Amino acid sequence: AQSVTQPDIHITVSEGASLELRCNYSYGATPYLFWYVQSPGQGLQLLLKYFSGDTLVQGIKGFEAEFKRSQSSFNLRKPSVHWSDAAEYFCAVAGNTGGFKTIFGAGTRLFVKA
Amino acid sequence: DTAVSQTPKYLVTQMGNDKSIKCEQNLGHDTMYWYKQDSKKFLKIMFSYNNKELIINETVPNRFSPKSPDKAHLNLHINSLELGDSAVYFCASSRGTSGRWGQETQYFGPGTRLLVL
Repeated sequence: AQSVTQPDIHITVSEGASLELRCNYSYGATPYLFWYVQSPGQGLQLLLKYFSGDTLVQGIKGFEAEFKRSQSSFNLRKPSVHWSDAAEYFCAVAGNTGGFKTIFGAGTRLFVKA
Repeated sequence: DTAVSQTPKYLVTQMGNDKSIKCEQNLGHDTMYWYKQDSKKFLKIMFSYNNKELIINETVPNRFSPKSPDKAHLNLHINSLELGDSAVYFCASSRGTSGRWGQETQYFGPGTRLLVL
């Protein structure tokens, strides 16, 4: 069955510190992987996505993610967190099987302390 | 310019009532979606339409009925509302290129916060 696991319900980092949000997926075919961010009271916005090619993908707002097939992971990173990065982050998987559905993880809430 | 808009933003109603949520996108996309986000932030697909045709219909109660009058609009009607329907409902759209739906970026509306009393 297709699934996405985000092991951390919430993470707190200091402003200026580095960030890594974990994501593991289970998918029977070639996965398409996404990271979305949801600010309080807002809809989701795409940060980055991976389909093929270079396993390190760059996104908006200084985020990047690395696809590791052997670990079924797609972790999101940022070298220096800003207070405005405080939000909910969702990892998602989709593909050309499973009826094209996008499966979302449960989300990781990021808190940034001054 | 608002890309994906939803009305209303907040909806408070009594159990047993019937209500509708409207969604419009001005991106020229062919595919639209409804998601439900529960109190634990878990986001689950409910329906998807491509060019007014239903392509994803998840296991949701048949009290929920989507309607797509044209490809820019996807409305959600809910009959006989129950307490468990309280959630945030998100509309989204994507370009809808045939055979590549799984790859597409989805653009989300701001959500409709439904509270059933």
